[in-house]
Amino acid sequence: QLQLRPSGPGLLKPSQTLSLTCAISGDSVSSNSATWNWIRQSPSRGLEWLGRTYFRSRWFRDYALSVKSRITVNPDTSKNQFSLQLNSVTPEDTAVYYCTRETPVGWSDFWGQGTLVTVSS
Amino acid sequence: DIVMTQSPDSLAVSLGERVTINCKSSQSVLYSSNNKNYLAWYQQKPGQPPKLLIYYTSTRESGVPDRFSGSGSGTDFTLTISSLQAEDVAVYYCQQYHSTPYTFGQGTRLEIK
Repeated sequence: QLQLRPSGPGLLKPSQTLSLTCAISGDSVSSNSATWNWIRQSPSRGLEWLGRTYFRSRWFRDYALSVKSRITVNPDTSKNQFSLQLNSVTPEDTAVYYCTRETPVGWSDFWGQGTLVTVSS
Repeated sequence: DIVMTQSPDSLAVSLGERVTINCKSSQSVLYSSNNKNYLAWYQQKPGQPPKLLIYYTSTRESGVPDRFSGSGSGTDFTLTISSLQAEDVAVYYCQQYHSTPYTFGQGTRLEIK
């Protein structure tokens, strides 16, 4: 059974870097039939897709334009996980962050439990 | 980006009654190559992540009760619960996966009257 377990600091100060990892069990980050997403949810912005990584003979990464200058999503095949790095955070980055598995077509068929990240001085 | 707009923002319905939630996209999410609408519905209960209910507008995910159904095409879509059960209290979201970035509606909160 698929499990996605996000982990990372829950409290950051403005200008710091948000770093989260999502450990995968029951599937492979290198799967040719899955895409691995980060999506966040906040009262002000709702559900917001941030970025993804997937393997189709080589690694691909896509990012939302709203965060493209600050975000990196990377796979870690040795640990079967993927990560999110978001630089220069502000209080607007306060949200629950979800990692999800996306089907090749585009819907997210499995969501990990979210992790709350608060940005506050 | 494709903007997804749901209506209403919230509704309260009596147990056993029919529920209809609407979702409108700012541009068509119909993929002409396969004639499928790239629209999904999710259910989110308090303290839980969203759960996939429906994809391709009307295909129920495995294990989803058949009281949930989806319909629509192009830019206008509907999620219907044929007979509301207590466990259906949640926020419901539509999502388009036609064009990146994949975008969500603002959510519709469903409560029991």
